[in-house]
Amino acid sequence: RKEVEQDPGPFNVPEGATVAFNCTYSNSASQSFFWYRQDCRKEPKLLMSVYSSGNEDGRFTAQLNRASQYISLLIRDSKLSDSATYLCVVRVSGGYNKLIFGAGTRLAVHP
Amino acid sequence: EPEVTQTPSHQVTQMGQEVILRCVPISNHLYFYWYRQILGQKVEFLVSFYNNEISEKSEIFDDQFSVERPDGSNFTLKIRSTKLEDSAMYFCASSRPGEANNEQFFGPGTRLTVL
Repeated sequence: RKEVEQDPGPFNVPEGATVAFNCTYSNSASQSFFWYRQDCRKEPKLLMSVYSSGNEDGRFTAQLNRASQYISLLIRDSKLSDSATYLCVVRVSGGYNKLIFGAGTRLAVHP
Repeated sequence: EPEVTQTPSHQVTQMGQEVILRCVPISNHLYFYWYRQILGQKVEFLVSFYNNEISEKSEIFDDQFSVERPDGSNFTLKIRSTKLEDSAMYFCASSRPGEANNEQFFGPGTRLTVL
């Protein structure tokens, strides 16, 4: 079983749409959770950390369900500039901070 | 805003040759990392480095790989004898010590092509 699993997509949505991405992780010792964004042939960039209580940053909302080992990202009012690959990332306790990446979900927002 | 830098942006080499990929982490960061991403695949952890020694390495990081912090600013990844399957994007990252959720800042990457 993959350590971090994501639907690869692509998700093709019109501008203004709401889109949700899901992610599951297999290691119950996972301690910290993140969503990164990666543009084509560029480095991953942190979009937001994910907290147990859920958190929001503008149009982006992240949720964590530790019991189900499930993480989600909701993007409201999609913009053309949101087109990218969204990476679900976990850090396992005792892992000296190494990050474990999912393969990513591709989002394409069209006019 | 401070950022991680990497050189070169693209390195082409022949199979069996040694390559050194260079990184300059953010100046007040103390944890350093190398990750790689084979084209079309996920980002994979290679190694983490703290206090002048390797703190963790993955199965990918075999005897052909080594890391070094030769001075106060550079952090290098050396591949001794490159193989075709080493072709990938190599990302350096750095982070501050302390909080569990401290962000890892990634450099723009070095694209390594082994012919």
